[in-house]
Amino acid sequence: RKEVEQDPGPFNVPEGATVAFNCTYSNSASQSFFWYRQDCRKEPKLLMSVYSSGNEDGRFTAQLNRASQYISLLIRDSKLSDSATYLCVVNEGNQFYFGTGTSLTVIP
Amino acid sequence: DAGITQSPRHKVTETGTPVTLRCHQTENHRYMYWYRQDPGHGLRLIHYSYGVKDTDKGEVSDGYSVSRSKTEDFLLTLESATSSQTSVYFCAISRPGQRETQYFGPGTRLLVL
Repeated sequence: RKEVEQDPGPFNVPEGATVAFNCTYSNSASQSFFWYRQDCRKEPKLLMSVYSSGNEDGRFTAQLNRASQYISLLIRDSKLSDSATYLCVVNEGNQFYFGTGTSLTVIP
Repeated sequence: DAGITQSPRHKVTETGTPVTLRCHQTENHRYMYWYRQDPGHGLRLIHYSYGVKDTDKGEVSDGYSVSRSKTEDFLLTLESATSSQTSVYFCAISRPGQRETQYFGPGTRLLVL
């Protein structure tokens, strides 16, 4: 069983659309949660951390539900530049577990 | 920019040969990590280091060894490369006070024939 599971997509959405990604994790003792963005053939880059109270950064909103072991990312008003793969990441002590990523293409 | 470089960026090698990948950081951070990324698996931790000569195994450490003789360099060695080690390898660091956040190098694409 994988530590972190994501819907791989692909998600193809028009510019301006709202899109949501979900992620589940298996270890209830997981401590920290993140969303990373990875462009094609590039390294992953931190998009945002995820807190239990939910947090927002511009058009991006992340939510954590510890009871359901579920993490979400909402992107509002999608831009062409949002096209990328979004990775869900869970931290357990010195170990980091990555989801396989969800592919997003924003269409003009 | 986290000041991380990896070398080589691309490498083709033959089964059975030893391969060493280098990760270099310019910020002298204590924590460094090696990952591999494969389709269908996401990134998986191979080894990590929490200081000079202090290393530990990750999720997929079999067939790999590491060394850290200087703060700025973290080496990953495939003692005898196999085709299953064909992958993209990423090095990462964590900054003090942000131990849970990782910053990645540009990656090394390794093909084992």
